[in-house]
Amino acid sequence: DIVMTQSPDSLAVSLGERATISCKSSQSVLYSSNNKNYLAWYQQKPGQPPKLLLYWASTRKSGVPDRFSGSGSGTDFTLTISSLQAEDVAVYYCQQYCCTPRTFGQGTKVEIK
Amino acid sequence: EVQLLESGGGLVQPGGSLRLSCAASGFTFSTYAMSWVRQAPGKGLEWVSAISGRDGGTYYTDSVKGRFTISRDNSKNTLYLQMDSLRAEDTAVYYCASHEDSSGWYADSWGQGTLVTVSS
Repeated sequence: DIVMTQSPDSLAVSLGERATISCKSSQSVLYSSNNKNYLAWYQQKPGQPPKLLLYWASTRKSGVPDRFSGSGSGTDFTLTISSLQAEDVAVYYCQQYCCTPRTFGQGTKVEIK
Repeated sequence: EVQLLESGGGLVQPGGSLRLSCAASGFTFSTYAMSWVRQAPGKGLEWVSAISGRDGGTYYTDSVKGRFTISRDNSKNTLYLQMDSLRAEDTAVYYCASHEDSSGWYADSWGQGTLVTVSS
């Protein structure tokens, strides 16, 4: 199984400041046949289901604010919130969808400092 | 608009069975892959199972193989998860999720979830 490891487990950022979350996979999730990284990011607020933010590592889902961006390739990925807003308080998960089982990272909790 | 509504959760004794349902609307259900993802109380997300929209191929995480069965009824726009031989560690909120992109099964829509509690 591909193990997804996020860091940090939690972080506190001031409003308007940048938040950065790392996600590392134990195997590459880059398919050479199509040059795509099978990596998604989700946001989960308390009491709510997860919500898709980004897929193919860096493609923002329609309607997701552009302060959310994704980068990386192969085994190392980053989710960046460029200017943290109060409504961004949530737990963020990465997931690889190249291979079964389609494993998630353990989650990173983002709070306001 | 994609809508997913899970049902069928509840309290069950260890060794018992439950069948979860996920009623889908707002999209062409038969063409979408679908998944079940669970979340134990206070824990992270765990992918459980998926089923293809095209050929009905099924996939499972190791911990539920032989105990859970995913299926779909495209005439009823409904996804199912038959859960047998339930264990305490299966206690979780179970979410169904849809995958519009057949080339990559990222979960673009999620239901609200249904709680399964396995306890004596």
